[in-house]
Amino acid sequence: GAVVSQHPSRVICKSGTSVKIECRSLDFQATTMFWYRQFPKQSLMLMATSNEGSKATYEQGVEKDKFLINHASLTLSTLTVTSAHPEDSSFYICSAIDSGKRTDTQYFGPGTRLTVL
Amino acid sequence: GESVGLHLPTLSVQEGDNSIINCAYSNSASDYFIWYKQESGKGPQFIIDIRSNMDKRQGQRVTVLLNKTVKHLSLQIAATQPGDSAVYFCAENIQATDKLIFGTGTRLQVFP
Repeated sequence: GAVVSQHPSRVICKSGTSVKIECRSLDFQATTMFWYRQFPKQSLMLMATSNEGSKATYEQGVEKDKFLINHASLTLSTLTVTSAHPEDSSFYICSAIDSGKRTDTQYFGPGTRLTVL
Repeated sequence: GESVGLHLPTLSVQEGDNSIINCAYSNSASDYFIWYKQESGKGPQFIIDIRSNMDKRQGQRVTVLLNKTVKHLSLQIAATQPGDSAVYFCAENIQATDKLIFGTGTRLQVFP
């Protein structure tokens, strides 16, 4: 149980294009999901909190117009990197909290490797 | 939290030995702590957690110790196996939020 998937697992795009990454909770509902970014040999950095049916909450320094988050259902959140540039190349990881449980354990997806040429 | 440096601290242990991975956390308001294991190219995998009202919790082959006085967390792995090789992160949950702040990570290398 508590499986989170991400799609795609890898994506390569040209500079200036937009890329959408999906995060799905497969066997539970998630009112709250999170998006993290991880650069090589570094830790996970929280980018934003995705709330079902409402606007995402962004961490300081994260541009909300560049990283668009949509959480339209209880099992899906999407992160769109708009006008991607090489410095946006990173490993993007989502996590989700099971709304049906009292615990606040975050279950992580397998990550999406974004490479911007 | 901010990540520092491009080189993860590395702990090298021999197969069968016990491993101890340490973590210092920064926020005294944190009330929930988790250890995650991350293998190359994968997302973090939950190992064990502990609440601030406890100072020790044991799982299968793993033990987490919490010292709130010095804001220190440790993960002990008994009889370390090659499959334990990965990067280990501690994470702290800020009280009354769902947010996790990750530590810088430690790479565990297990050699035969």
